[in-house]
Amino acid sequence: GQNIDQPTEMTATEGAIVQINCTYQTSGFNGLFWYQQHAGEAPTFLSYNVLDGLEEKGRFSSFLSRSKGYSYLLLKELQMKDSASYLCAVREYDYKLSFGAGTTVTVRA
Amino acid sequence: DGGITQSPKYLFRKEGQNVTLSCEQNLNHDAMYWYRQDPGQGLRLIYYSQIVNDFQKGDIAEGYSVSREKKESFPLTVTSAQKNPTAFYLCASSPPLAGGGNEQFFGPGTRLTVL
Repeated sequence: GQNIDQPTEMTATEGAIVQINCTYQTSGFNGLFWYQQHAGEAPTFLSYNVLDGLEEKGRFSSFLSRSKGYSYLLLKELQMKDSASYLCAVREYDYKLSFGAGTTVTVRA
Repeated sequence: DGGITQSPKYLFRKEGQNVTLSCEQNLNHDAMYWYRQDPGQGLRLIYYSQIVNDFQKGDIAEGYSVSREKKESFPLTVTSAQKNPTAFYLCASSPPLAGGGNEQFFGPGTRLTVL
């Protein structure tokens, strides 16, 4: 099985930066995904890392260190619409994803 | 428009009744999945299917059943054996791993309430 840990909640101010950490322990690894989920809605894909390093996509960046079993999602220039839950998910050597419990980010004016 | 549809969005059933949730995709994806989401918890995998006429149990398959007779469709039946069926159910699909990132695309979900 997989153990995926991320903080439960984070609060930040509009325009600020927030970093959501995710640590994982798996018997195999074939990629790490970040999803955004607004309350009552479906998750939407944000980023994918399979090699060590930083992937940047506009205001969102994701980092991976496979040796440390660690990833983070960086949200820059926070906007009110970024208030959502952010899910870290790890894939082993098949189609299946294992999800963390999610981090609820609240952006305040 | 390509995508995944789930219906209905809200579903109410009496305890002891079986209920089937639909999931249809027109993305031509081979793999499809069913997840359950409870408050404060991550998505938990119920069943998944990598190809037509084949499916595997996920982490919490007890009390559920599925079929995959067509590539586009992957219905989930919540049986009366499922002890706590009230939850938000999400269906997803993905292209083959060889396609690169292979992210999963999610449907809008069905919120099932058992009274």
